[in-house]
Amino acid sequence: EIVLTQSPATLSLSPGERATLSCRASQSVSSYLAWYQQKPGQAPRLLIYDAYTRATGIPARFSGSGSGTDFTLTISSLEPEDFAVYFCQQRNNWPLTFGGGTKVEIK
Amino acid sequence: QVQLVESGGGVVQPGGSLRLSCAASGFTFSSYGMHWVRQAPGKGLEWVAFIQYDGSNKYYRDSVKGRFTLSRDNSKNTLYLQMNSLRAEDTAVYYCAKGRSSRDGYNYFDYWGQGTLVTVSS
Repeated sequence: EIVLTQSPATLSLSPGERATLSCRASQSVSSYLAWYQQKPGQAPRLLIYDAYTRATGIPARFSGSGSGTDFTLTISSLEPEDFAVYFCQQRNNWPLTFGGGTKVEIK
Repeated sequence: QVQLVESGGGVVQPGGSLRLSCAASGFTFSSYGMHWVRQAPGKGLEWVAFIQYDGSNKYYRDSVKGRFTLSRDNSKNTLYLQMNSLRAEDTAVYYCAKGRSSRDGYNYFDYWGQGTLVTVSS
């Protein structure tokens, strides 16, 4: 099973600041990695797939990069609605796996 | 618009059974692979099972193999998860999720239901 490790566990930032979230895979997942956002009491929302492709309707302030084992989700300038938990997910191997999440909280 | 509505959750004793349903609308259900993903209270996401658009292929995580059975009825636009021999560690919100595209094997989740809570407790 491919283990995805996200860091940091919590990121404390202010609106307008840049957020950089990391996801590291225990073995290569090529570019087959997605990012999701989840707010309290809600289902997750797909943000990025195939490492850097924004899903339908996702604002341009969200961007993804990386390949192989190291991936990054960047939020260029945090909006109030961006404070949430973010998960990465790989589809390179079964079982599909998720990272443990990074909580982006208001500083 | 795409809608996924789960039902069937509840409280069950260890060793018991439950059947979850997911009613889909707003897209051609019979053309997409579908998943169940769960989330234990206060925890992260865990993929559970996948079924191909025509039911021809199914995948399960090891911890549910032999206990959970995924099926679909394309005439009713409905996905099912039969859960037997339930354990305390199966306690979670269970989400039905639509696979994004055949280009990625339907293995990203582009739409999710609101979830249904399964609690396994004596």
